[in-house]
Amino acid sequence: KQEVTQIPAALSVPEGENLVLNCSFTDSAIYNLQWFRQDPGKGLTSLLLIQSSQREQTSGRLNASLDKSSGRSTLYIAASQPGDSATYLCAVRLGNDMRFGAGTRLTVKP
Amino acid sequence: NAGVTQTPKFQVLKTGQSMTLQCAQDMNHNSMYWYRQDPGMGLRLIYYSASEGTTDKGEVPNGYNVSRLNKREFSLRLESAAPSQTSVYFCASSGRGQLLEAFFGQGTRLTVV
Repeated sequence: KQEVTQIPAALSVPEGENLVLNCSFTDSAIYNLQWFRQDPGKGLTSLLLIQSSQREQTSGRLNASLDKSSGRSTLYIAASQPGDSATYLCAVRLGNDMRFGAGTRLTVKP
Repeated sequence: NAGVTQTPKFQVLKTGQSMTLQCAQDMNHNSMYWYRQDPGMGLRLIYYSASEGTTDKGEVPNGYNVSRLNKREFSLRLESAAPSQTSVYFCASSGRGQLLEAFFGQGTRLTVV
């Protein structure tokens, strides 16, 4: 059974800091890994998707890496802003099944 | 650009009542999913459908039924609601294979009293 873990559960940083969110998974036979953002009371917004054959993906200030063999992914956020405050979720896909981590709640203080 | 649309957005049920949550997507996706989200537990998969006419159980299927009515629509039914089913329910859809992203609806906040 695929298990997905995100560390830390919560993170508070001052504005302008670079930060790393972690995601680990137990079954390396994944199709892809997707990072989402969720604002309070809202749905999930897709940030980045990494295919199993890729090592990283970048979008603006976000960079996600994938190391399948070790079962790890990181989401790097550069020059954090208060608007980045949200919960960040990773999800791994095996076939038609997607499994989620519990998320990291990020607070960026002005 | 509707994407994934869920109805209703909010619902309060009494224990033992039944209801159906509706989900529709306009992206011609093959796969659709129902998740529930509880505090501190992340999203847990209830059921998924890889294509029209097929459905499969996820992690927490007990107490739920689903129906893939056509390619666009995937409904979730609670036959006899229980307080333990108080949660936020999300529907999602995705294409096949490695390349395509999953997209989510805005959620249905369900309270069973």
